[in-house]
Amino acid sequence: QSVLTQPPSVSAAPGQTVTISCSGRSSNIGNNDVSWYQQIPGTAPKLLIYDNNKRPSGIPDRFSGSKSGTSATLSITGLQTGDEADYYCGTWDNLSGGYGVFGGGTKLTVL
Amino acid sequence: QLQLQESGPELVKPSETLSLTCTVSGDSITNPNYYWNWIRQPPGKGLEWIGNIYHSGVTYYNPSLKGRLMLSVDSSRSQFSLRVTSVTAADTAVYYCARQRGRREFDPWGQGTLVIVSS
Repeated sequence: QSVLTQPPSVSAAPGQTVTISCSGRSSNIGNNDVSWYQQIPGTAPKLLIYDNNKRPSGIPDRFSGSKSGTSATLSITGLQTGDEADYYCGTWDNLSGGYGVFGGGTKLTVL
Repeated sequence: QLQLQESGPELVKPSETLSLTCTVSGDSITNPNYYWNWIRQPPGKGLEWIGNIYHSGVTYYNPSLKGRLMLSVDSSRSQFSLRVTSVTAADTAVYYCARQRGRREFDPWGQGTLVIVSS
């Protein structure tokens, strides 16, 4: 069972908008920045969002992130078939001396 | 351009020790802004953070795995390594190494290496 909670799956049609939630607690999301990763099956995860809402160079502005309290959200607008992948949130947890934590992952299906 | 590459045995017997090395190229492993991480993904499952190490040797471990883990760093070779003792089938996974900026994002990641625990 993952420390951060994500919905197992979401789906939407091409062109639509989808949001993926990531829920934690004060020791992790509540006091640390959140990052988001896209993983296409068979490949390594790729950084999509860092510091809650910043995009690395080369990531389209269709991808955006936000954080409020102990939850974070990834939004993808103008869905494309190429966005079909698994998405993970990640952050640091300050308990037990500190350690990294991830959500269980959300499978995005573009209908 | 920073690149990370995992290497090590693909098959490990139960109760033995899993050993992997990550070679860093394109940046100095002694860069003070970064920690060097191991993350794994069992087949068909999600990501699990294993631990990280700073170039000075300071380490942080996943509490659920602590006691079986040892991370080390060799700055002269731009490598950091993972050892997991007393492995079982539950340790079968794709193992990734990744750079982490402070306590923040993991980027980039290595391509990953599949390690199977089986007799």
